[in-house]
Amino acid sequence: NAGVTQTPKFRVLKTGQSMTLLCAQDMNHEYMYWYRQDPGMGLRLIHYSVGEGTTAKGEVPDGYNVSRLKKQNFLLGLESAAPSQTSVYFCASSSGLAGETQYFGPGTRLLVL
Amino acid sequence: GDSVTQMEGPVTLSEEAFLTINCTYTATGYPSLFWYVQYPGEGLQLLLKATKADDKGSNKGFEATYRKETTSFHLEKGSVQVSDSAVYFCAGEYYGNNRLAFGKGNQVVVIP
Repeated sequence: NAGVTQTPKFRVLKTGQSMTLLCAQDMNHEYMYWYRQDPGMGLRLIHYSVGEGTTAKGEVPDGYNVSRLKKQNFLLGLESAAPSQTSVYFCASSSGLAGETQYFGPGTRLLVL
Repeated sequence: GDSVTQMEGPVTLSEEAFLTINCTYTATGYPSLFWYVQYPGEGLQLLLKATKADDKGSNKGFEATYRKETTSFHLEKGSVQVSDSAVYFCAGEYYGNNRLAFGKGNQVVVIP
């Protein structure tokens, strides 16, 4: 039981390049989330999904797109990376029930030059 | 808007000292409240939670009580160890769909 996994662990991009971050969970959770973590800012929600085929915007969605084609996977895309997107990205999943725990992946560290 | 606020700045203390990290929340409804911990190089993991007023969450020697009268959920541990060195985040569930509002986190460093 791997829980929540993220690929890749670390990536360096040049400004304007694109990439996709992959999140996978094996807990049969309906809900999945993408956050970014920046120094002094805590975690901010980028996008989330309440089930296969659904996506919704979070607090800081600009510059990102997401897809949830399969229940166990949640992809985060950067179409044209900018230095302001340098961050650590975390994926999480949960059952979606009120008061339930979110389970986090180990993170992807992204550097945009 | 709905938010949780943590005390500013890192916390450095000696082994076996008493730890308190303050967290207050905005009182829109009655959010479930959580403390998550992030060890170096890892993702966040749940430390404890409370879903209604007067509930006390506890785990690994840490405790926090949901206090409606002071809109607080302060984290405490009576005797910290070096292994407790981590970043601690307070979070509140305000928006439905299990979405969380996180505080900015506190770096805790425990010195032997």
